[in-house]
Amino acid sequence: NAGVTQTPKFQVLKTGQSMTLQCAQDMNHNSMYWYRQDPGMGLRLIYYSASEGTTDKGEVPNGYNVSRLNKREFSLRLESAAPSQTSVYFCASSERAGAEAFFGQGTRLTVV
Amino acid sequence: GESVGLHLPTLSVQEGDNSIINCAYSNSASDYFIWYKQESGKGPQFIIDIRSNMDKRQGQRVTVLLNKTVKHLSLQIAATQPGDSAVYFCAENRDTGTASKLTFGTGTRLQVTL
Repeated sequence: NAGVTQTPKFQVLKTGQSMTLQCAQDMNHNSMYWYRQDPGMGLRLIYYSASEGTTDKGEVPNGYNVSRLNKREFSLRLESAAPSQTSVYFCASSERAGAEAFFGQGTRLTVV
Repeated sequence: GESVGLHLPTLSVQEGDNSIINCAYSNSASDYFIWYKQESGKGPQFIIDIRSNMDKRQGQRVTVLLNKTVKHLSLQIAATQPGDSAVYFCAENRDTGTASKLTFGTGTRLQVTL
């Protein structure tokens, strides 16, 4: 049981480049989330998907888009990367809204 | 607005002692709280949770206390071990029935000395 799997683990982008962070969970969870974590700060919610077919903005959605491809997969896209998006990105899932969230190992993204 | 904060950014304890990590929250509508442990280079890992209809919940070597009157949450770790060294986050969740929006504090680093 892999839990929450994120790819890639590391990525370096040039300013203006685009990329998609992939996330998949094998726990049959309904809800999925994307967070970013900056040094000295807690995790901040970017976007979430309460259930398949729905997505909503979190605390810091600007510069990002998401797609809930199916129940298992929830991707995060950076259309035009900026240095301010340098961060560690975590995907998480929970069985239902309001339940304990399980996190992936993170994607360390550097934008130069 | 909504916020979750911690009183101490770094806590240093000796192996075998008990650790207490504190957390303040400001949203009185929050009904569910979680403590996470994050080791270096890893994602947060669930430790223990508590719902607002409880004051105390115990796990293996860990206890979470909730004081709704002063909006305060604490995590107690008994007989702290070197493997407990990590950053600990409290998270606050308001169950709207449609989504879980965990709001995290900035974290407390626990250092266990030998």
